[in-house]
Amino acid sequence: AQSVTQPDIHITVSEGASLELRCNYSYGATPYLFWYVQSPGQGLQLLLKYFSGDTLVQGIKGFEAEFKRSQSSFNLRKPSVHWSDAAEYFCAVGADGNQFYFGTGTSLTVIP
Amino acid sequence: NAGVTQTPKFQVLKTGQSMTLQCAQDMNHEYMSWYRQDPGMGLRLIHYSVGAGITDQGEVPNGYNVSRSTTEDFPLRLLSAAPSQTSVYFCASSRQGADTQYFGPGTRLTVL
Repeated sequence: AQSVTQPDIHITVSEGASLELRCNYSYGATPYLFWYVQSPGQGLQLLLKYFSGDTLVQGIKGFEAEFKRSQSSFNLRKPSVHWSDAAEYFCAVGADGNQFYFGTGTSLTVIP
Repeated sequence: NAGVTQTPKFQVLKTGQSMTLQCAQDMNHEYMSWYRQDPGMGLRLIHYSVGAGITDQGEVPNGYNVSRSTTEDFPLRLLSAAPSQTSVYFCASSRQGADTQYFGPGTRLTVL
């Protein structure tokens, strides 16, 4: 069965520090890969996605993610975190044509 | 464009009551889906639809019914509410199943 793993439940970083959120997936073929962000009490907003091609993808708000097939990973990065980045981040996989699988999320706290 | 809209925003039910969560989209998307979000479990797919008149089960379909009579609307029915259905419910739509999902603002449901 397909699965998405986000091993870090909660991460705390200082404002201005770099950030990396981990995501691993289990799927036989190369799936469509997504990162979403959810602010408290809000719906989910797409940060970036990977379908094919260049394995380093750029998203909104200065985020980027790199697809590594050999590691079945799609880690999210940001070189300098802002206080407004505090939120919950979800990795997701689109697979089997009509199914969408989410990880359990990583909660990000940003300290001044 | 309003995007994906959901009503109501909040709802409290008693065990055994039934209700319908409404979802509508104005992007002419063929694919629509319902998720529930519970702490520590991410988002789990309840039901989805690939077009008017076509629905299918997701990961956690028990206790829920859906129908898709039009492209725009995809209501979720709770037949006999149980406390285990206390959750935040999100509706989403996309051009096709594994493509970028656009989310509504969510419905917070409490079953007493």
